Amino acid sequence: DVVMTQSPLSLPVTLGQPASISCRSSQSLLYSDGITYLNWFQQRPGQSPRRLIYQVSNRDPGVPDRFSGSGAGTDFRLEISRVEAEDVAIYYCMQGIQGYTFGQGTKLEI
Amino acid sequence: QVRLVQSGAEVKKPGASVRVSCKTSGYTFANYYVHWVRQGPDQGLVWMGWVNPDSGDTNYPQKFQGRVTMTRDTSINTVYMELTRLTSDDSAVYFCAARLTYWGQGTLVTVSS
Repeated sequence: DVVMTQSPLSLPVTLGQPASISCRSSQSLLYSDGITYLNWFQQRPGQSPRRLIYQVSNRDPGVPDRFSGSGAGTDFRLEISRVEAEDVAIYYCMQGIQGYTFGQGTKLEI
Repeated sequence: QVRLVQSGAEVKKPGASVRVSCKTSGYTFANYYVHWVRQGPDQGLVWMGWVNPDSGDTNYPQKFQGRVTMTRDTSINTVYMELTRLTSDDSAVYFCAARLTYWGQGTLVTVSS
């Protein structure tokens, strides 16, 4: 099984400041088709998850451009350029190369 | 717009089965795989599998194989997830998600004697 490890698990931030979450996979997420199957999800309190980023760095429609994804192979990062109050949520990375596995989640707190 | 509407909360006894439905609208049903994801109390997200609404093919992780069955009814654009031999560890909110992009509102399943 592909294990996804996020850090930190809790991230206190200041409004207007940047934030960064790391995600590491136990094996490369680069598939033979040349695509890296790494997604990022946001789950606000009391809500269903929402996909923010797919294939490492592609934002889903409607996702603010302050969210960006980067990385390759086994090391990935989600960055928020300037945190807003509505960004308070738990963020999950998820691999899709061998079934699907989520990371433990990172709780972003103001 | 795309909508996924799930069935209501369920309370089941240990050893019983539960079936959760997910009615889709706003897109061509056959086009998007529908995934099921669950979330235990104050826990993270766990992927339970997907169903291809076009062919009916399914894919389940080993953790749930033998206990989960995902089906679809193309006449009413609805997907179902059935989980058998329930234990208290199965108490969770169950989500359906088309293409992992469009999510249902979640269904709370409580397993208690």
